[in-house]
Amino acid sequence: QQQVKQSPQSLIVQKGGISIINCAYENTAFDYFPWYQQFPGKGPALLIAIRPDVSEKKEGRFTISFNKSAKQFSLHIMDSQPGDSATYFCAASPNFGNEKLTFGTGTRLTIIP
Amino acid sequence: ETGVTQTPRHLVMGMTNKKSLKCEQHLGHNAMYWYKQSAKKPLELMFVYNFKEQTENNSVPSRFSPECPNSSHLFLHLHTLQPEDSALYLCASSIGLAGDTDTQYFGPGTRLTVL
Repeated sequence: QQQVKQSPQSLIVQKGGISIINCAYENTAFDYFPWYQQFPGKGPALLIAIRPDVSEKKEGRFTISFNKSAKQFSLHIMDSQPGDSATYFCAASPNFGNEKLTFGTGTRLTIIP
Repeated sequence: ETGVTQTPRHLVMGMTNKKSLKCEQHLGHNAMYWYKQSAKKPLELMFVYNFKEQTENNSVPSRFSPECPNSSHLFLHLHTLQPEDSALYLCASSIGLAGDTDTQYFGPGTRLTVL
């Protein structure tokens, strides 16, 4: 049973546009929601994370929107650039911890000029 | 560079072989993790160590055997693997286990192929 569902599987966005990736979870015990970015040949790197006490968190061009009642959260990349082309993973865990992180299946994002 | 190194970067082994993956972190972290990354599947957490003690074993088959001799080194011993174990094995480390304050840093992974 997949506990974190991520969509879309792949996404193509024009340079300067907004990229949106969505995730939904089932486990109401989840209280920590990070997003990771992975470039080919590299391990994932933490991009931004949110806790359920806020509905939105912004860091530069990256924003997480969180809807606790719908059990959904999304990543928005504003003014998308070719350098943002990578695979993005959402994840969730209980107890604000790293021990039981459950990941989504990933979204391959391609930014075209 | 993330400060987490993994060796070898690529490994091809037969089902009867015994091999080991090595992870080393130079960040002074206390927690280390093994993950399995397969194509089109979610990243799977395998093992977690904190201060050299295993805190999580995510129902991993016994043909995978972790070892953490100190907080800087983590090994994954492999024996009698199956072709479906072919994947990218990622190591990560963090200061502690608190997700919102203790960022996980990943290594580049070992690409394992089981013939």
